[in-house]
This record gives sequence, structure tokens and C-alpha cells, in this order.
Amino acid sequence: GAGVSQSPSNKVTEKGKDVELRCDPISGHTALYWYRQSLGQGLEFLIYFQGNSAPDKSGLPSDRFSAERTGGSVSTLTIQRTQQEDSAVYLCASRDGHSYNEQFFGPGTRLTVL
Amino acid sequence: AQSVTQLDSHVSVSEGTPVLLRCNYSSSYSPSLFWYVQHPNKGLQLLLKYTSAATLVKGINGFEAEFKKSETSFHLTKPSAHMSDAAEYFCVVTDNYGQNFVFGPGTRLSVLP
Repeated sequence: GAGVSQSPSNKVTEKGKDVELRCDPISGHTALYWYRQSLGQGLEFLIYFQGNSAPDKSGLPSDRFSAERTGGSVSTLTIQRTQQEDSAVYLCASRDGHSYNEQFFGPGTRLTVL
Repeated sequence: AQSVTQLDSHVSVSEGTPVLLRCNYSSSYSPSLFWYVQHPNKGLQLLLKYTSAATLVKGINGFEAEFKKSETSFHLTKPSAHMSDAAEYFCVVTDNYGQNFVFGPGTRLSVLP
């Protein structure tokens, strides 16, 4: 079946502009995660959605970052007033809500802030 | 709180020789553990997972890992490296509820001809 998809695959923007990144999880997966991966670095957790529960926003680096998940499916990560340090690959993952199950990752969105 | 340590940021092996990528974890719960691989400019792919069943776990592409509770380790091994194994490898720990997936910093594996 279809995997996790993300769009756009690449985004170049100017400093100070807002950007929206989209994630389409695997159908039926109740859990959705956003991560950031800077060049040559590991994954930095940003936010986690589980069903209809309030999201875990503990990883968001500043109030310029926000995310929503509509109808328990598609998620949008929004970065306002982008800064050069926001340049990274943004990864989305989804997971069946049952315990022990792994995350399935999308291909990522490469964001470049000029 | 959970944490993951990958002791080597870079490992270099010759093709055909064994691979050992080390991972130690800390968890307050009975953990689930995963290894993911990321090839250059590619997404993350699951190699294998431990979820409290057999302690020796076999994954794809000939990789396996052994869960050792007494050593809090989950090292990844492969008997014979292939050029296509060159990639970044991440060890991941989570609690039984799957709410917090904690990634290690990654180990870059180079395979020399």
C-alpha cells in the first residue's frame, strides 16, 4: 500500500517568510510524528499526535513553529518568519497506534532558508 | 526518561568483513528497540526491532541485533559487509506505549572495497 508522503520535497524560501509543510500518513495510522534533521545530524523530535488526544508539542523549538492534524489524517507543519537556522530536512512518520509497532517515515521535505 | 548512546559516530570496514555498530540505552520502562538505516538522500528504513520477544532479532539485509538487558545494549551486527551497506544507522528506544521515540545520534558506516 501507499506509504507516508510529504510535500513539497524541496522548499527554498527567503528569511522572514512563512512556510507550510504537508504530511499524508499511512491510512489508518493513528500516530503521527514530525522530526527535524539538520545536515549530518540525528533526528530532533518536534511534535507528536495520537488520535484525538492533545498533541505533544514539547519538541517545538520556538513559538514560530506550529502543527495541526485535521480529521486525524493529514498534518501540516507551519514555520512562521523563517530563519536560516530553520534550514533542515523535515521528516514525518506515522504509526499504527498499537504498542510495539515501528514508525514509517516519509521521504522528507528539504527546507532551505536564504 | 529514556536515552540512546551510539558510541561510534563513524565506523569503517572493508567489504566482506564483519560489522558491529554499538548502541546502549537507558529506559525506565521495558523498552522496545529499533534500528533504522538511512542511505544518502533517502528516507529512513526499518532494519529490525526488539519488542520483548526473542532477544536475538534478525532483520533485513543480513543484519541482526541482540538485546542484552544486563548490559543495556542493543548492538547491530552483520557477518559480512557489502558496499551497499554504506549508510547512516540510527538506534531508537521507546517505551511500551510508543509515545516517545528517542533516536541516537547515528553511526555512519563506510565500506571500503
